[in-house]
Amino acid sequence: QSALTQPASVSGSPGQSITISCTGTSSVVGSYNLVSWYQQHPGKAPKLMIYEGSRRPSGVSNRFSGAKSGNTASLTISGLQAEDEADYYCCSYAGSSTLVFGGGTKLTVL
Amino acid sequence: QVQLVESGGGVVQPGRSLRLSCAASGFTFSSFGMHWVRQAPGKGLEWVAFVSHDGNNKYYVDSVKGRFTISRDNSKNTVYLQMNSLRAEDRAVYYCAKRSAAAGVDYWGQGTLVTVSS
Repeated sequence: QSALTQPASVSGSPGQSITISCTGTSSVVGSYNLVSWYQQHPGKAPKLMIYEGSRRPSGVSNRFSGAKSGNTASLTISGLQAEDEADYYCCSYAGSSTLVFGGGTKLTVL
Repeated sequence: QVQLVESGGGVVQPGRSLRLSCAASGFTFSSFGMHWVRQAPGKGLEWVAFVSHDGNNKYYVDSVKGRFTISRDNSKNTVYLQMNSLRAEDRAVYYCAKRSAAAGVDYWGQGTLVTVSS
């Protein structure tokens, strides 16, 4: 049940693109295409942004996209906006209905 | 729309117990598994426990096994987390969350704060 590895922080200017990585193991991220990404603003509950690695829930901007290669998943946000500034967490299915989260990445919009 | 409302948090002394509740609405509760996820102050998210749609299967993170019990009452659309032998490191905001069809979580409650302190 080791946490997934994310960078502690990333930053970008408005209009730019950023990518957040999420590295797991062959038995977690690598074995399932069941990575989700969550956005969390201070004092708020997390919000689902990406599921099944690359699918967007209804209502989530198409500026958010997800991908996976081997044991690493990634979240890309294009056309950065001020409201994108938040913490982002990846999460992978880990078998037997259990989940494992990444440590979180703080996105700063400069 | 899906709503999850947690309650039961508060301040408790180390070694004591607390029961959290999460009232669900806006979806067919008995068809979905439910998770509890916690977040210590200033820290990241940590998965805590899962209960299947019918209550027959339950899973826990190692750090709470033997101390916490997840359960549900489908007649009341409510999921519970019984927390015994609480420790300082259990201090966190506890979120209940609905299992998505893709095995993750798609909806979260607003969270309830548990503080363990003497």
